[in-house]
Amino acid sequence: DMKVTQMPRYLIKRMGENVLLECGQDMSHETMYWYRQDPGLGLQLIYISYDVDSNSEGDIPKGYRVSRKKREHFSLILDSAKTNQTSVYFCASSLGQGARAETLYFGSGTRLTVL
Amino acid sequence: GQQVKQSSPSLTVQEGGISILNCDYENDMFDYFAWYKKYPDNSPTLLISVRSNVDKREDGRLTVFLNKSGKHFSLHITASQPEDTAVYLCAAGVNQGGSAKLIFGEGTKLTVSS
Repeated sequence: DMKVTQMPRYLIKRMGENVLLECGQDMSHETMYWYRQDPGLGLQLIYISYDVDSNSEGDIPKGYRVSRKKREHFSLILDSAKTNQTSVYFCASSLGQGARAETLYFGSGTRLTVL
Repeated sequence: GQQVKQSSPSLTVQEGGISILNCDYENDMFDYFAWYKKYPDNSPTLLISVRSNVDKREDGRLTVFLNKSGKHFSLHITASQPEDTAVYLCAAGVNQGGSAKLIFGEGTKLTVSS
């Protein structure tokens, strides 16, 4: 059963707190992604990971960092969360590199609210 | 600026009609184009994709048309049904310096009315 699992599903944090969003996949996919979705902006790419400890900035990396120590697990970290980081965060994975005609499999999303 | 753009935030079509969703892109290095479908509170799922070496691909009621010179691609859904109501996200892929990434548009909310 191919699955991308995100935890938690909903999260409320105060400004300045640290946030950890976790993502796992059971497909042994090489590439994993973090996107955020905001009204009118679609999915914006935050970070890509091509394999363990091989991470690359996406289009909006500022204020975020990532960690990938195992192929099946990719974390998004917000050090000192800001209110403008309130969003829905999606993790995704693909077998190879996404733009080489590989399907992206998405998790169910984490709705983060920063007060 | 937005590299992949869906200019229509919403579209309403009568049941049985043809839904046409449009997407424009800026980077002529894009070589992979896809449409994803997203229901509310659900994750996006791939509907159909094409490579830049073809200008059309059909899959059942879905057809993707690619116009490379116009930097435009579209999704046509024939015999639209209420269950087609969803947000449709277009995406374009590029390989930059050995690293590949997929850029999404803002999404178009399609409503099929019965």
